[in-house]
Amino acid sequence: NAGVTQTPKFRILKIGQSMTLQCAQDMNHNYMYWYRQDPGMGLKLIYYSVGAGITDKGEVPNGYNVSRSTTEDFPLRLELAAPSQTSVYFCASSYPQGATEAFFGQGTRLTVV
Amino acid sequence: GENVEQHPSTLSVQEGDSAVIKCTYSDSASNYFPWYKQELGKRPQLIIDIRSNVGEKKDQRIAVTLNKTAKHFSLHITETQPEDSAVYFCAASMIKAAGNKLTFGGGTRVLVKP
Repeated sequence: NAGVTQTPKFRILKIGQSMTLQCAQDMNHNYMYWYRQDPGMGLKLIYYSVGAGITDKGEVPNGYNVSRSTTEDFPLRLELAAPSQTSVYFCASSYPQGATEAFFGQGTRLTVV
Repeated sequence: GENVEQHPSTLSVQEGDSAVIKCTYSDSASNYFPWYKQELGKRPQLIIDIRSNVGEKKDQRIAVTLNKTAKHFSLHITETQPEDSAVYFCAASMIKAAGNKLTFGGGTRVLVKP
């Protein structure tokens, strides 16, 4: 059981480039989330999804897009990368409803130069 | 939206002593409060959580207390060990069908000195 898998683990982007951060979970979780963690800070919610075909904005959605075509996958798209997007990105998933644990992926460390 | 404040930002304790981290939240509708531990370069992992219908929960050396009236909750680690050194995050959410979105505090870096 792999849990939540993110790729890539590290990436350096130039300003203005685009990329997609991949996230996949094999726990059949309906809920999935993208967070960013800036150095020395807590995690901030970018986007979330409650099921295939349903996504919604979190606290810091500007500069990002998501899609959820399957239960397993929840990719995060960065368009026109900016230095302010330098961060560690975590994908997470959880069971629907109730107070249940959010399982995190290992993170993607992104640097925009 | 919800806002979670966490204090202190850093905490240094001697091995064997206790550590206490405090969080306050702003939205009285929040009803789920997990604590995550993040070791250097690793993913956050849940260590304990509490629902709003419970005032205290304990799991071996860690415990969490919740004061709904004051809107604050705390993590207590007793008999600290070097492996407790990590960053700890509190979070709050309101459980509902539209998603159990977590709002995190800023984190507390705990250093346990041998």
